[in-house]
Amino acid sequence: QLVLTQSPSASASLGASVKLTCTLSSGHSSYAIAWHQQQPEKGPRYLMKLNSDGSHSKGDGIPDRFSGSSSGAERYLTISSLQSEDEADYYCQTWGTGMGVFGGGTKLTVL
Amino acid sequence: QVQLQESGPGLVKPSQTLSLTCTVSGGSISSGGYYWSWIRQHPGKGLEWIGYIYYSGSTYYNPSLKSRVTISVDTSKNQFSLKLSSVTAADTAVYYCARSHDFDYWGQGTLVTVSS
Repeated sequence: QLVLTQSPSASASLGASVKLTCTLSSGHSSYAIAWHQQQPEKGPRYLMKLNSDGSHSKGDGIPDRFSGSSSGAERYLTISSLQSEDEADYYCQTWGTGMGVFGGGTKLTVL
Repeated sequence: QVQLQESGPGLVKPSQTLSLTCTVSGGSISSGGYYWSWIRQHPGKGLEWIGYIYYSGSTYYNPSLKSRVTISVDTSKNQFSLKLSSVTAADTAVYYCARSHDFDYWGQGTLVTVSS
C-alpha cells in the first residue's frame, strides 16, 4: 500500500533554512511527488513536482528559496532564508493505482 | 492563468446529498491533458482525495467514498461537479477542486457543514 510519511511538525528561525521530509512506503521509491503549502486559513498552493532523480518543476511564482531534492524513498523540500509567511502546513502528494494520496502534513513554525 | 472556483450550499442536512460545482477559467476542461479532482479537508485535519474526472467523463473515486460519490463534467460550461449522498456529520469539511494530477491549481475551498 502506498503511504507518504511526514513528520507532524518542524521549526526553524527566521532567516534560516529548513528541510522537510516526505518518505514513500516500501516498493514505491521511484515515485514522483508534489509539494503543497497551506498557509493558515487559506487553501493549498502548489509548490513543485519532485522526481525521484531530484529534478523538479516549480509552480507559478514560487520563489527560488523553495527547492526540492530526492534520496532513495525520501523526498525533500528545502526552504531557505525563512520568512514569516513560510509558517504553514506542508503536504506531499502522489498517485498510486489511480488514487490520489497525501501525506499527513508537516506544520512548520518560524521562530 | 487557470483559476478554479467552488460553489454550492454551505449547509446540508444529514442523509441528504451534498452538491458542489467547480467552475474553471483560464483554461478549457475539454482541451484534455488534465484530470479534475475533488479533495476535502476535515476541520483541523489533513487532505483527502475524493475523486477525479476527465473531460471525456471517465472517473475514478477514492474506494472509501466510492459508494456515495458521483463526479460529472459539463464541458459546455467548463464546470465539473461533485455529489456526495447520504451525508453525515463526518462529511463536514472544506471541499476543494483542483487540476490533476499534480494539483497545480486549486480553488479557494468551500466549507460544507452537515447539520440539521
